[in-house]
Amino acid sequence: NAGVTQTPKFRVLKTGQSMTLLCAQDMNHEYMYWYRQDPGMGLRLIHYSVGEGTTAKGEVPDGYNVSRLKKQNFLLGLESAAPSQTSVYFCASSPPATSGLYEQYFGPGTRLTVT
Amino acid sequence: GNSVTQMEGPVTLSEEAFLTINCTYTATGYPSLFWYVQYPGEGLQLLLKATKADDKGSNKGFEATYRKETTSFHLEKGSVQVSDSAVYFCALSKIGASSNTGKLIFGQGTTLQVKP
Repeated sequence: NAGVTQTPKFRVLKTGQSMTLLCAQDMNHEYMYWYRQDPGMGLRLIHYSVGEGTTAKGEVPDGYNVSRLKKQNFLLGLESAAPSQTSVYFCASSPPATSGLYEQYFGPGTRLTVT
Repeated sequence: GNSVTQMEGPVTLSEEAFLTINCTYTATGYPSLFWYVQYPGEGLQLLLKATKADDKGSNKGFEATYRKETTSFHLEKGSVQVSDSAVYFCALSKIGASSNTGKLIFGQGTTLQVKP
């Protein structure tokens, strides 16, 4: 099992450019999440999904879009990158909460710099 | 709303010292509580968890007890090693709500540096 993988690992964008971050999991998890990590602020939830074809906004969704066309993949898009989106992005997945298993499994992260 | 507050870091200790990282929470109802650890350059890993009051989570020599009366979940280890150097995050999840989605609310993280 590869667990949760993220592509790419690093990226530098210019202001106004667009990009898509890919998250893939091979654990057949229902739930998937995108977080951003900024110094002194912990992890903040951007968007999440509780199943294929569903997405919902988290704490800081502005400037991002997501799609969950396949159960194993969760895409995070930046349509017009801004310097404020410079951050480390983490994807996570978990079984459904009704399973009683509460652990989220995290990918290794994508370090994005917007200049 | 729900929130988690951790002690400010960084925490610098000598090897074999006793570790405490404080964590307090604000939440309605009965959240589940977690400690995650992030080693340099990696994603977060679950270290331990507790799902009800007075539960003690433990793993790799780390322990934390869910104290509802003080709304706390402090992380402790009796003798730290250099390999424990990492960032530690306290988190809560509102399991059991009708609209439960398994979302985690994280504290800001505490950096631990252990010197030989």
